[in-house]
Amino acid sequence: EDQVTQSPEALRLQEGESSSLNCSYTVSGLRGLFWYRQDPGKGPEFLFTLYSAGEEKEKERLKATLTKKESFLHITAPKPEDSATYLCAVQALYNQGGKLIFGQGTELSVKP
Amino acid sequence: EAQVTQNPRYLITVTGKKLTVTCSQNMNHEYMSWYRQDPGLGLRQIYYSMNVEVTDKGDVPEGYKVSRKEKRNFPLILESPSPNQTSLYFCASSPLRQGLSYEQYFGPGTRLTVT
Repeated sequence: EDQVTQSPEALRLQEGESSSLNCSYTVSGLRGLFWYRQDPGKGPEFLFTLYSAGEEKEKERLKATLTKKESFLHITAPKPEDSATYLCAVQALYNQGGKLIFGQGTELSVKP
Repeated sequence: EAQVTQNPRYLITVTGKKLTVTCSQNMNHEYMSWYRQDPGLGLRQIYYSMNVEVTDKGDVPEGYKVSRKEKRNFPLILESPSPNQTSLYFCASSPLRQGLSYEQYFGPGTRLTVT
């Protein structure tokens, strides 16, 4: 069964304290792995797509990496405005319907 | 501004009273989809559409209907809502590349309560 597990469930950081969020996945052939940011009461906001092991993407203080079993979202010198829930999702090669299989998310809180 | 819009944003209704949640996108995307988000269960796909007049079931389609008569609109219909359909609903859209959907762009959500 295809599934996505994110850890930790919640992460509290001080402003400037770098850390990483983990996304472990099992899927029968990976079409893409996606990272989203979700603020309370809002829809998920697309951040990155990763397609193959070894790929990396960066955006401001965020850097996403991908291996054959997991992805990491590295947050460098976070600021309070980075506080949000970060969602990881995978899409299977065989799935013609485009379904995204989401993890439960990591709730990040950055204190000033 | 490129966006997915949903209406209403909040809705409280009673069991059995038919309702429609509208979704519209202005990005000329072929693919559209509906998800529901529940605590402990995450986001799950309800229905999707690859293009006008082409729709199919996702993982949790029971109790829902959809239609795709225009490319930009993809309404979600609950003909006889029940309390277990109380949830946060998201519409999403995506361009197709070589016939496949990749990253999806989400609307702001509709919080539905069925009493």
